[in-house]
Amino acid sequence: AQSVTQLDSHVSVSEGTPVLLRCNYSSSYSPSLFWYVQHPNKGLQLLLKYTSAATLVKGINGFEAEFKKSETSFHLTKPSAHMSDAAEYFCVVSYTGRRALTFGSGTRLQVQP
Amino acid sequence: NAGVTQTPKFRILKIGQSMTLQCTQDMNHNYMYWYRQDPGMGLKLIYYSVGAGITDKGEVPNGYNVSRSTTEDFPLRLELAAPSQTSVYFCATRTGTVNQPQHFGDGTRLSIL
Repeated sequence: AQSVTQLDSHVSVSEGTPVLLRCNYSSSYSPSLFWYVQHPNKGLQLLLKYTSAATLVKGINGFEAEFKKSETSFHLTKPSAHMSDAAEYFCVVSYTGRRALTFGSGTRLQVQP
Repeated sequence: NAGVTQTPKFRILKIGQSMTLQCTQDMNHNYMYWYRQDPGMGLKLIYYSVGAGITDKGEVPNGYNVSRSTTEDFPLRLELAAPSQTSVYFCATRTGTVNQPQHFGDGTRLSIL
């Protein structure tokens, strides 16, 4: 079965330090991968997407992610965390031929002043 | 741009009551989805639709019904509310192009007591 694993349920960083949120997916011939962010009491907002073009994907608000096929990973990074980055982040996979998305369980990012 | 609009934003129901969660979109997207999000979890697909008049079950359809009479609207019906249906419900849409991201509403927070 296709699956997505977010390796950390909770990550805490200090403001101005780098952010790393980890995501692994089960292998498929041509997955599309997304990162979404969810702020409290809000819906999910698309941060970035990978759809088989460049392996390093740049998104909004300074986030980027690298697709590594050999490691089946799609980790999300940001060089310097801001307080406004505190939110829940979801790694999401779309497998060719499936109409629905597969969601990871989420990583809550806490940013300390 | 309104995007995806969900109403109501909050609702408390008594066990056994029924209600309809509304979702409407102005993006002319063919695909629409209903998800539920339980605390600390990712999203689980309840039902989806690939166009007016066509709906199909997702992972957790029991206790819910949907209809899709127009492109814009995709209501979710709870017939006999149960405490297990306490959750946050999200509606999402996307174009018919394969592996494009979904666009989410802000959610309906439903408590059943």
